[in-house]
Amino acid sequence: GENVEQHPSTLSVQEGDSAVIKCTYSDSASNYFPWYKQELGKGPQLIIDIRSNVGEKKDQRIAVTLNKTAKHFSLHITETQPEDSAVYFCAAGGSGNTPLVFGKGTRLSVIA
Amino acid sequence: DTAVSQTPKYLVTQMGNDKSIKCEQNLGHDTMYWYKQDSKKFLKIMFSYNNKELIINETVPNRFSPKSPDKAHLNLHINSLELGDSAVYFCASSQYPGDGNTIYFGEGSWLTVV
Repeated sequence: GENVEQHPSTLSVQEGDSAVIKCTYSDSASNYFPWYKQELGKGPQLIIDIRSNVGEKKDQRIAVTLNKTAKHFSLHITETQPEDSAVYFCAAGGSGNTPLVFGKGTRLSVIA
Repeated sequence: DTAVSQTPKYLVTQMGNDKSIKCEQNLGHDTMYWYKQDSKKFLKIMFSYNNKELIINETVPNRFSPKSPDKAHLNLHINSLELGDSAVYFCASSQYPGDGNTIYFGEGSWLTVV
């Protein structure tokens, strides 16, 4: 089955700096890679996703890149703000009926 | 409008008790899930239902019994609660199972077993 590794587990950045979170996956059949943001006391919310026919996708300050050959994908947040502080999860899946497999999360702290 | 809603949000109960968490989605999705998030924030799937039929049943003690009366509802009943059951339980839904369908999560139910 799919296995997703996510690094780092914690990340602290100064406000205005960039943050990068990296994930690797094991199942070459996976073709869908979403990223979720979980704020304190809330459920995970989808912030951006990418499919295997695309190498990069951007939405304002957030971008995701995918390297299918190397089986890794990354989340990039530019010009970080204190409200970006949260736990971020990557996930991989999309093969048949198998569910998404989540990484173990990255706790991002943006220091004002 | 809350897309995936679950109740109760907080639940404190004693070991050995039986409790239920209810979940409803108003997105018109066919597939619903229960996830467990432990103290280290690991998200692990427990069950998945598609059109009221169980399609995924991970290695979960049989004290946990999901019930789907219709495709908009998926409830979780837990018998003989143990200390290790303390966690946050998330209900979620997607249009269809797998195949890259986006999963939408509820706000979570914080279960504490004392």
